[in-house]
Amino acid sequence: EVVMTQSPATLSVSPGDRATLSCWASQSISSNLVWYQQKPGQAPRLLIYTASTRATGIPARFIGSGSGTEFTLTISRLQSEDFAVYYCQQYNNWPRTFGQGTKVEIK
Amino acid sequence: QVQLVQSGAEVKKPGASVKVSCKASGYIFTNYAIHWVHQAPGQGLEWVGWIDTDNGETKYSPKFQGRVTISRDTSARTVYMELRSLTSEDTAVYYCARGELDWGQGTLVTVSS
Repeated sequence: EVVMTQSPATLSVSPGDRATLSCWASQSISSNLVWYQQKPGQAPRLLIYTASTRATGIPARFIGSGSGTEFTLTISRLQSEDFAVYYCQQYNNWPRTFGQGTKVEIK
Repeated sequence: QVQLVQSGAEVKKPGASVKVSCKASGYIFTNYAIHWVHQAPGQGLEWVGWIDTDNGETKYSPKFQGRVTISRDTSARTVYMELRSLTSEDTAVYYCARGELDWGQGTLVTVSS
């Protein structure tokens, strides 16, 4: 199976700063990657699909990039509602696999 | 609007089975597959399996293969996930998701003697 690895596990950022989250796949997954945001007690919310396309209603400050095995989610000018856990997930191969998540917390 | 409404929380004893439902509305049911995802308390997301709601084809994670069955009732616009031989490690919130797009509210399954 494709192993997804996210880094860092926890990212401490001040409001208004930029956050850069990384996700690596153990083999090429083309651009078949999504990013989710999850807040405590809530279901995940789709942010980005096909590695770089924002889902409906997602603000422009969420930017996805990468292809093959290396992917990045950049959140520019962090707002209070952006502090959450972020997961990447590949949908190129079966079984679908998630990264272990990156928690973005207030510095 | 698109909605996925899951059945309520369950408490089961070890060795028992549980069947969780996911009722879809707001879109053409057979146009989108449904995934099931497991999230143990305080842990990350883990993919359980998938069903093509049009033809009923299923795929399962090797971790759950043999203990899980995903099925659908197209007339009821509902997908089911049955998990058997439950252990404490199956205690988790189970989510259904329409493709990678929309998610249900989650169903807490607690396995305890």
